[in-house]
Amino acid sequence: EVQLVESGGGLVQPGGSLRLSRLSCAASGFTFSSYWMSWVRQAPGKGLEWVANINQAGTEKYYVDSVKGRFTISRDNARNSLYLQMNSLRAEDTAVYYCARDLRWRGSYYNDYWGQGTLVTVSS
Amino acid sequence: QSVLTQPPSVSGAPGQRVTISCTGSNSNIGAGYDVHWYQQLPGTAPKLLIYGNSNRPTGVPDRFSGTKSGTSASLAITGLQAEDEADYYCQSYDSSLSGSVFGGGTKLTVL
Repeated sequence: EVQLVESGGGLVQPGGSLRLSRLSCAASGFTFSSYWMSWVRQAPGKGLEWVANINQAGTEKYYVDSVKGRFTISRDNARNSLYLQMNSLRAEDTAVYYCARDLRWRGSYYNDYWGQGTLVTVSS
Repeated sequence: QSVLTQPPSVSGAPGQRVTISCTGSNSNIGAGYDVHWYQQLPGTAPKLLIYGNSNRPTGVPDRFSGTKSGTSASLAITGLQAEDEADYYCQSYDSSLSGSVFGGGTKLTVL
């Protein structure tokens, strides 16, 4: 059974980039190193927003414009884990962050499995 | 403002048919990128409903169907049931943004 379990969320001050600000996603039930992976977020009461994704080897990374230069996606295939390092956090980064598996499809991709999400709140 | 446009809400009575539209542009749906749909029940993570415009993952009832034409796509739900009450999101790829894009979501209310 495919499982994605996020952790690391919590309350962070604006401008923060503490250790708390690295999200983790533990994957199991599939060959993690064979799949692209994504982070998708959802602000309270709002819709879904793709944040970033990464290829199998960790050599290709893409980001939504609003987080470029502040967030870094990475992975450790030996640990079956996906990460999102978040720096210079802003109030508008407050959201539930989901880890999701990507399936490539005719030039695009979709997300067939999602974690339960972890809430990041940016507030003083 | 989302790159893909969906109606904020739709509603229907049990047993009826509803459709949810998803309108994009020439850098995403109109460029030939396929559309995928997700269902999000209250308080839960999104669940894949339709991929590649019209394909259902194993376990998704055939009451759910998808189509795509030009710069738009639609999700149809027939034989509405109370358990279908949820938020629905479309997704595609945008070449100008080099990433995935979602619609703003549509809240389905079963009357």
